[in-house]
Amino acid sequence: DIQMTQSPSVLSASVGDRVTITCRASQSISTWLAWYQQKPGSAPKLLIYKASSLAGGVPPRFSGSGSGTEFTLTISSLQPDDFATFYCHQYNTYPWTFGQGTKVEVK
Amino acid sequence: QVELVESGGGVVQPGRSLRLSCEASTFTFNNYHMNWVRQAPGKGLEWVTFISNDGNNKYYAASVKGRFNVSRDNSKSMMYLRMNSLTSEDTAVYYCARGGPRAELNWYFDLWGRGTLVSVSS
Repeated sequence: DIQMTQSPSVLSASVGDRVTITCRASQSISTWLAWYQQKPGSAPKLLIYKASSLAGGVPPRFSGSGSGTEFTLTISSLQPDDFATFYCHQYNTYPWTFGQGTKVEVK
Repeated sequence: QVELVESGGGVVQPGRSLRLSCEASTFTFNNYHMNWVRQAPGKGLEWVTFISNDGNNKYYAASVKGRFNVSRDNSKSMMYLRMNSLTSEDTAVYYCARGGPRAELNWYFDLWGRGTLVSVSS
């Protein structure tokens, strides 16, 4: 199975900060990577697909980059609505796997 | 609007069975592959199973293979998850999630239901 490792696990930040989350795959997954945002009590929401494509309705302050085994999700200017847990997801090879999550909390 | 709605969760004793349902609305269900993804309390996301748009191809996570069975009824825009031999490790919120259109196997989850809670406890 392909292991997905996110860092950090917890990130403390303030409104207006630039935030970067890293996701590493245990083997190359090309650009078959998605990012989701999840708030407590809610389903995950797709943010980014194919490593860098913005999902419909997602604000442009969110961006994704990377290929192969190293990927990043960046929030250019953190907004109050962005405090949540973020997951990366590889869909290159079954079984599809997720990172363990990164919680973005108020500093 | 375009949505997925899960049902069938509840409290079940270890070793028993349960069937979850996922109803799709306002999109052409038989054009899309579908998945179940689960989340144990306070934990991360775990992909459980995939079923192709025509129901002919199915994949399972190792943790559920041989115990869970996914199926779909395209005439009713419904997907099902039959879960047998349940253990406490299966306690989770189960989400149905839309995969790719028929020609695309490598696809992300672009539409999620709200989830249904399965609690395995004596």
